[in-house]
Amino acid sequence: AQSVSQHNHHVILSEAASLELGCNYSYGGTVNLFWYVQYPGQHLQLLLKYFSGDPLVKGIKGFEAEFIKSKFSFNLRKPSVQWSDTAEYFCAVTLSGAGSYQLTFGKGTKLSVIP
Amino acid sequence: GAVVSQHPSWVICKSGTSVKIECRSLDFQATTMFWYRQFPKQSLMLMATSNEGSKATYEQGVEKDKFLINHASLTLSTLTVTSAHPEDSSFYICSARDPTTRAGELFFGEGSRLTVL
Repeated sequence: AQSVSQHNHHVILSEAASLELGCNYSYGGTVNLFWYVQYPGQHLQLLLKYFSGDPLVKGIKGFEAEFIKSKFSFNLRKPSVQWSDTAEYFCAVTLSGAGSYQLTFGKGTKLSVIP
Repeated sequence: GAVVSQHPSWVICKSGTSVKIECRSLDFQATTMFWYRQFPKQSLMLMATSNEGSKATYEQGVEKDKFLINHASLTLSTLTVTSAHPEDSSFYICSARDPTTRAGELFFGEGSRLTVL
């Protein structure tokens, strides 16, 4: 079974600092990769996704992630964080192919941005 | 994006009672819904896959007689925690697949926090 590992439990940054959240998955086959975000008091929402093609994907709110197949990684980045980016971020993976809707999540990384 | 709503968002019950949590897709028909459980500082763990008009598929280690799932319509799935005990206290989250989106893109409810006394 596939698994997802997020390296940091809690990251604290000052506004305008650059962000990189690590995500590694373990599965030898073709996968679809996702980053979800959960703002305080809100439900999970999709930040960005990778299915195929350009391994550098751009999402909402200035976030991007790069799929590096050789490293089984899908790290999330943002050049300059804002206080409003304070949230919990979850990396997730699902098997590629029709009918593959079951997501496997990492444990999440809590991001706190200090004004 | 599509909207998924859960109710109640917060419930407290006595040990031994049953609690029902509803998950609704508000603006699309969801043939498949998923129920997750999240412990503090832990990942979302998939409990079961709910398919409209058929029995739910439970993940290994999840007691199907304890966590009853019903997906009677294309917009509603319910999770009933039967004879709840304090160890069932957790955050339960549902998600639904919009058939018009690609595989894996799910929409999540707000979550329901269950506290069993």
